[in-house]
Amino acid sequence: DADVTQTPRNRITKTGKRIMLECSQTKGHDRMYWYRQDPGLGLRLIYYSFDVKDINKGEISDGYSVSRQAQAKFSLSLESAIPNQTALYFCATSVLTGEGYEQYFGPGTRLTVT
Amino acid sequence: DQQVKQNSPSLSVQEGRISILNCDYTNSMFDYFLWYKKYPAEGPTFLISISSIKDKNEDGRFTVFLNKSAKHLSLHIVPSQPGDSAVYFCAASARGKLVFGAGTILRVKS
Repeated sequence: DADVTQTPRNRITKTGKRIMLECSQTKGHDRMYWYRQDPGLGLRLIYYSFDVKDINKGEISDGYSVSRQAQAKFSLSLESAIPNQTALYFCATSVLTGEGYEQYFGPGTRLTVT
Repeated sequence: DQQVKQNSPSLSVQEGRISILNCDYTNSMFDYFLWYKKYPAEGPTFLISISSIKDKNEDGRFTVFLNKSAKHLSLHIVPSQPGDSAVYFCAASARGKLVFGAGTILRVKS
């Protein structure tokens, strides 16, 4: 079983619709993250949470919101989807190791906004 | 303003030879540097990392070198194998947050 799971894996939605992407983890990590990947731009941080009561904006949080329902669950919402939010979205968890915070990624959600 | 840059979008190497992927950064406050590998339709997977107080870390075929004065790090893969063909992301960490480069596509030809 995968340690970090994301649902749905693919989604096509229309402009203006509200959509939620869900992430669950079985690794027991406190820290969770949402990223988006666009061609030529790498992964950019949308929101992150260091524990259930801690939510922080990343570099590109406009147009997104998150909810940390439990240690294991971190969901990302697009309140009113727009076409430039078409991207690949990744959830990740992290843990401190001897060489820094190692992050573990889910398989990604491909979102298309038409 | 990109804090982490991978200036080579792609690299092609013959099987058995060395692959060298490069990364530059601008923020002196980064405390760890990491490399991730990504196959199509999968999430990135951790490959190797290095603390800012070190200049080299090795794990099997993979070695990461850090030159703090030049704000440059590189990933060496020796020998390269066809299964190494993937997108490689360089990332830098500050207080548990990662900043990623744009990625380099590595193709290892057999």
